[in-house]
Amino acid sequence: NAGVTQTPKFRVLKTGQSMTLLCAQDMNHEYMYWYRQDPGMGLRLIHYSVGEGTTAKGEVPDGYNVSRLKKQNFLLGLESAAPSQTSVYFCASSYKVGGWQYFGPGTRLTVT
Amino acid sequence: AQSVSQHNHHVILSEAASLELGCNYSYGGTVNLFWYVQYPGQHLQLLLKYFSGDPLVKGIKGFEAEFIKSKFSFNLRKPSVQWSDTAEYFCASPRSNDYKLSFGAGTTVTVRA
Repeated sequence: NAGVTQTPKFRVLKTGQSMTLLCAQDMNHEYMYWYRQDPGMGLRLIHYSVGEGTTAKGEVPDGYNVSRLKKQNFLLGLESAAPSQTSVYFCASSYKVGGWQYFGPGTRLTVT
Repeated sequence: AQSVSQHNHHVILSEAASLELGCNYSYGGTVNLFWYVQYPGQHLQLLLKYFSGDPLVKGIKGFEAEFIKSKFSFNLRKPSVQWSDTAEYFCASPRSNDYKLSFGAGTTVTVRA
């Protein structure tokens, strides 16, 4: 039981490049989330999903897109990376409304 | 909408000192409250949770938190810290009737040996 996994762990992009971050969970959770973590700002929700085939915007969705084609996977895409997207990205999942979330190990992204 | 605030940004302690981290939430209705810990270079892990019942909640690694409804607070405590408690601590709570978590800004705790 791996919990929540993320790939890649590290990535460096040039401004304007695109990439996709993959999140996978093996706990059969309905809800999945993408956060970014920046110093002094805690975690901010980018996008989330309440089930396969659904996605919704969080607090800071601009510049990101997501897809949830399979229940266990939640992809975060950056179409045209900007230096302001340099951050640590965490994926999480939960099994019920109001429940606690299980977090993945994070992806450290640097955009130069 | 629920919001969570943490008062301390950085706390520095010596081993064996007692720790208390403040957390306040804004929502006046039924709340679920969590404390997460993030050790250096690692992901967030659930430290303890409160849904209802006994307002004093015991978590892992000797941590506890007390839910005080009248003060809208959920402070984290540990009587005697160890060097290995050096980490960042986040208080979190779902927004009302919602599954999205609102996080505090985090408190960095540094324990000196």
